[in-house]
Amino acid sequence: DTGVSQNPRHKITKRGQNVTFRCDPISEHNRLYWYRQTLGQGPEFLTYFQNEAQLEKSRLLSDRFSAERPKGSFSTLEIQRTEQGDSAMYLCAVLQEGDDNEQFFGPGTRLTVL
Amino acid sequence: TQLLEQSPQFLSIQEGENLTVYCNSSSVFSSLQWYRQEPGEGPVLLVTVVTGGEVKKLKRLTFQFGDARKDSSLHITAAQPGDTGLYLCAGVDTGNQFYFGTGTSLTVIP
Repeated sequence: DTGVSQNPRHKITKRGQNVTFRCDPISEHNRLYWYRQTLGQGPEFLTYFQNEAQLEKSRLLSDRFSAERPKGSFSTLEIQRTEQGDSAMYLCAVLQEGDDNEQFFGPGTRLTVL
Repeated sequence: TQLLEQSPQFLSIQEGENLTVYCNSSSVFSSLQWYRQEPGEGPVLLVTVVTGGEVKKLKRLTFQFGDARKDSSLHITAAQPGDTGLYLCAGVDTGNQFYFGTGTSLTVIP
């Protein structure tokens, strides 16, 4: 089973507040990705983990963003001092390596910054 | 910055019509994937193409990878309302980094 859950599904916050999102894969996967998606657009890469190591960060990931995967299973994405431009869907995905190298996505967390 | 451009961005057609979505890039990828995404959900993989010139068929959907492995197309025959959704291409590099396209929003009208 390669399901991924994300919590919360929706988050409304005021500008300047901090928010944290969580991604829980059902089973173990070495690679975990975070993406940001705005309405009608494709997901934009933010960062990824190989087990607990964060290997790459996009320049989209300003110093207000931090991500962790402490035990190589679940992951958290924190945004500090949120801005209206942070409003988007935040998607988490795990990689099932094989012939297809398929990513399994969670349902996302929709963030609205007022 | 999106490395892959999709066209058209929006497509609204009648049930039964055929359509083609294009995914173009100046970069070479080790493979290319197509996903479909419905509102409130994450993208779901439809197909992976690996070899330049490769053609894969999935029922009424036909996927082609360009000879130079820079572009791809998705053709849907006899579209149905259930095909409605956001179609995304994604280039995959040798490090399993995924670069998503700009997306094509398809609406099939009954």
